[in-house]
Amino acid sequence: QSALTQPRSVSGSPGQSVTISCTGTSSDVGDYNYVSWYQQHPGKAPKLIIYDVSKRPSGVPDRFSGSKSGNTASLTISGLQADDEADFYCCSYAGGHTPYVFGTGTKVTVL
Amino acid sequence: QVQLVQSGAEVKKPGASVKVSCKASGYTFTDYYMHWVRQAPGQGLEWMGWINPNSGDTKYAQNFQGRVTMTRDTSVRTAYMELSSLRSDDTAVYYCAREGGYRATKNFDYWGQGTLVTVSS
Repeated sequence: QSALTQPRSVSGSPGQSVTISCTGTSSDVGDYNYVSWYQQHPGKAPKLIIYDVSKRPSGVPDRFSGSKSGNTASLTISGLQADDEADFYCCSYAGGHTPYVFGTGTKVTVL
Repeated sequence: QVQLVQSGAEVKKPGASVKVSCKASGYTFTDYYMHWVRQAPGQGLEWMGWINPNSGDTKYAQNFQGRVTMTRDTSVRTAYMELSSLRSDDTAVYYCAREGGYRATKNFDYWGQGTLVTVSS
């Protein structure tokens, strides 16, 4: 099972929106609505921000939104804030011998 | 509140084994699967496997089959991950992560603080 493909980095100014893509295959992202997204600040554990493609856990601002089309999932951060600067990882359920696969990770920089 | 507290950093020699613990509190330990995820320095996340704390059933990623063993002790609400035949490329931070529950599974809603395992001769 290969890692899902994410852009290495994206950037935006405060208040702008950025979108991170997460490309998999018909065996993972394309086959299940179990895509989740995690935010990881340096030296910290990942934090769940989106699950089931587009649902937000309680306490996560609605500036974070998720979607999926075919084999590609996306995370959009609107109204970018300084604290959004972090690494973001997607993850998809894939069934089979290795049922979870993470993305390669994207560093978000707030200019 | 839900908390997962992991054991401290370890330094091991190549070929040795390491056992990391993850003590859960704030919820019913046996109601939620526990997963293990690792992150090599400067690298991404890698899923290692899960254990069902209720039954003890496990599922391991193919990359770790034969080298990883996940166990639990329900009396102390603790999950364990043991990795054997350590190599230098096993140097990483190892996380335990709880799988979400009813109507919100297949994600990892709470994470431990991480345990750094360094493999060096």
